[in-house]
Amino acid sequence: DGGITQSPKYLFRKEGQNVTLSCEQNLNHDAMYWYRQDPGQGLRLIYYSQIVNDFQKGDIAEGYSVSREKKESFPLTVTSAQKNPTAFYLCASRLGPGGATGELFFGEGSRLTVL
Amino acid sequence: SQQGEEDPQALSIQEGENATMNCSYKTSINNLQWYRQNSGRGLVHLILIRSNEREKHSGRLRVTLDTSKKSSSLLITASRAADTASYFCAMQGAQKLVFGQGTRLTINP
Repeated sequence: DGGITQSPKYLFRKEGQNVTLSCEQNLNHDAMYWYRQDPGQGLRLIYYSQIVNDFQKGDIAEGYSVSREKKESFPLTVTSAQKNPTAFYLCASRLGPGGATGELFFGEGSRLTVL
Repeated sequence: SQQGEEDPQALSIQEGENATMNCSYKTSINNLQWYRQNSGRGLVHLILIRSNEREKHSGRLRVTLDTSKKSSSLLITASRAADTASYFCAMQGAQKLVFGQGTRLTINP
């Protein structure tokens, strides 16, 4: 079945460590997104990519990095520079770039906890 | 910023009743979307209404959009326990999709 797969579902990190969250989609979507969700809050955009080998910063990009080497994959690295990384991270995709105004398809999320 | 605000933040009703959630935004939009999130899960798209539409239906869902007031509402009719979730509006502007803070809906049996 087509969809978006995020892994791992749960991740624990020690302070000072970088961690990478995986996001893979087989929907043949051009556009991919990373959001951060804090308890009881909405989603805030970290990074997005409209096409392979290109990506843009969202509203809260500091302390994060991404790559888009393949259409199917959009990994997010949470670096040690991110001071408050404990959160729920959601990856999403949709048709684009020309159709990048429609519905988003989300993965099941990755919950990162800093010990 | 075209950040949206949702009202109420939390809503608790009895099974079978109707639930109404409201969303307001600040700038012009291409469309407005509603999503549902079960606890600890990803978001699921419910419905999209374009800026030139005023009302849209999908099953037990009814969405209205008033661009003059920059507001939208989501009505869930004949609620069920399985409707318990958080509901988010998302405003699609020229460049980005921006989410509201969400309404936590609880359906009591």
